[in-house]
Amino acid sequence: DAEITQSPRHKITETGRQVTLACHQTWNHNNMFWYRQDLGHGLRLIHYSYGVQDTNKGEVSDGYSVSRSNTEDLPLTLESAASSQTSVYFCASSRDMSSYEQYFGPGTRLTVT
Amino acid sequence: LAKTTQPISMDSYEGQEVNITCSHNNIATNDYITWYQQFPSQGPRFIIQGYKTKVTNEVASLFIPADRKSSTLSLPRVSLSDTAVYYCLVGAKDPMDSSYKLIFGSGTRLLVRP
Repeated sequence: DAEITQSPRHKITETGRQVTLACHQTWNHNNMFWYRQDLGHGLRLIHYSYGVQDTNKGEVSDGYSVSRSNTEDLPLTLESAASSQTSVYFCASSRDMSSYEQYFGPGTRLTVT
Repeated sequence: LAKTTQPISMDSYEGQEVNITCSHNNIATNDYITWYQQFPSQGPRFIIQGYKTKVTNEVASLFIPADRKSSTLSLPRVSLSDTAVYYCLVGAKDPMDSSYKLIFGSGTRLLVRP
């Protein structure tokens, strides 16, 4: 069965370190997304990609970067982790942008100390 | 950009119909309205999507009035397992730079009691 996976599921890191969260989907979807979820804020879009070599900034992109070298993967990098980036991160994919039926991964809980 | 507003929480009992309304006054012509369900420690799960009037699938119905400034998710005969947070999502394309800003509402926490 097709799926979307995230790793690690839990991560603790120190302020200032670079952290990369992995996202892998086997749906063969062109569109992939990264969100963060904090208490009281619902989900907020960080970055998204329409396809290979395409990346775009979302609502809360400062301090984050992504790259898309193939269809299946969209890793999220925190260049220099900050305590404000402690959150739960969700990756999602969708077939096309005219439909917002997104398939979400299980999430990565990141703690920055 | 369309901002969404939902009730923070709702209570219901098993077997009842539950209606959750989302307001999106600035919805754009091409925007779709999508609802997601989220259980603790899981990613959101797609429930239903619509553009106008009424859409029904095996788990829910979505009612959208003609002006599209709001939408109502209807869950028939809820069970305990429907206890979750429900999010309204409106797709929005920023006219300034053509970027997509997918706006999730803050979610409605539904508690279904026995």
